[in-house]
Amino acid sequence: EIVMTQSPATLSVSPGERATLSCRASQSVSSNLAWFQQKPGQAPRLLIYDTYTRATGIPARFSGSGSGTEFTLTISSLQSEDFAVYYCQQYYNWPQAFGQGTKVEIQ
Amino acid sequence: EGQLVESGGGLVQPGGSLTLSCSASEFRFSAYAMHWVRQAPGKGLESVSAICGDGDCTNYADSVKGRFTISRDDSKNTLYLQMSSLRADDTAVYYCVKVGVKLPAWNWYFDLWGRGTLVTVSS
Repeated sequence: EIVMTQSPATLSVSPGERATLSCRASQSVSSNLAWFQQKPGQAPRLLIYDTYTRATGIPARFSGSGSGTEFTLTISSLQSEDFAVYYCQQYYNWPQAFGQGTKVEIQ
Repeated sequence: EGQLVESGGGLVQPGGSLTLSCSASEFRFSAYAMHWVRQAPGKGLESVSAICGDGDCTNYADSVKGRFTISRDDSKNTLYLQMSSLRADDTAVYYCVKVGVKLPAWNWYFDLWGRGTLVTVSS
């Protein structure tokens, strides 16, 4: 079973600053990696799939990178609506494990 | 893009049973694999079960294997999750999720989520 580990658990950032979130897989997931954003009381929303492809309607300030076991989500200039919890997920094999999440909060 | 609406959640006693439903609309339901994902209160996301687009393959998390059964009725555009022998640690919001690729296989990214239905297991 692949284990996904995200860091940091909490990221304090000021609006307009850059945020870098990390996700590590316990074994290679190739490029089968997605990122989701979740706000309180809402379902997760797909941001990035196949490591770097933005989902429909996702702003260009969100970008993904990496391969194999190390992945990164970068938010180039944080907007007020970006403060949320972010999850990575591998869909290389079953179970399609999620990371524990990174909370991006206002500094 | 589509819509998913879950129903059937509620309060159930430990050891009890419950069946969740997910009604799909605005996309060709039969062409896509579907998943159930749950989130315990204040916790992260957990893949629970998946079913292929043709219904011929299913997967379960070890934590629910032998207790939960996933199924689909393509004529009704509906996904189901039958849950039995429920335990307190099954308490969670259960999300119905669609994969983003129009192929029978389950191992694709999730592009559409329902709003979820809360299952509470407590005496």
